[in-house]
Amino acid sequence: ETGVTQSPTHLIKTRGQQVTLRCSSQSGHNTVSWYQQALGQGPQFIFQYYREEENGRGNFPPRFSGLQFPNYSSELNVNALELDDSALYLCASSLWTGLVNNQPQHFGDGTRLSIL
Amino acid sequence: QKEVEQDPGPLSVPEGAIVSLNCTYSNSAFQYFMWYRQYSRKGPELLMYTYSSGNKEDGRFTAQVDKSSKYISLFIRDSQPSDSATYLCAMSHTDNYGQNFVFGPGTRLSVLP
Repeated sequence: ETGVTQSPTHLIKTRGQQVTLRCSSQSGHNTVSWYQQALGQGPQFIFQYYREEENGRGNFPPRFSGLQFPNYSSELNVNALELDDSALYLCASSLWTGLVNNQPQHFGDGTRLSIL
Repeated sequence: QKEVEQDPGPLSVPEGAIVSLNCTYSNSAFQYFMWYRQYSRKGPELLMYTYSSGNKEDGRFTAQVDKSSKYISLFIRDSQPSDSATYLCAMSHTDNYGQNFVFGPGTRLSVLP
């Protein structure tokens, strides 16, 4: 069983730039969620994708957007980067059964994004 | 008041001790409750997952949920140095807009040999 993989592992950008982070879900999973984790804090939910559509969103501005592909992999895009966007970005996948989501999420090791 | 609050720690215990980690929450809509362990420079690793009040045991770990008090706990028996990590509680609910997940800030645990 292949776990959740994320790329790249580290990335350095400057203010105003745009970034795309990638995630491959665990085999058998059809739902992907993205989180932002600042140093010393718990992960903050950005959004979730199911069947290539957004299926829930946390308190993040529209410059955070995402995509899910037919193979359930996903991208997180962030436009107009700000210094406060420096964080660990985590992807998690799970199996959504369509009735009750009774399956937990499994995380990748994240992409560490630094904004200069 | 934050939606999920967690004892911040850090917490240091001797090897073999029983560890108690706790979270409280304010949103009664939360349906699923999870505990994750996160080592430095790694993603969170799922330890326990439950959706009902009561206790759930898995090896040295016991998760306890009290929905009436909006309180969850994780107990670690016979703690080992390899248990040294940050422990995150998490909970989720589903509404008309989809799923929403909320994590606590984490408790840093050190188990001393």
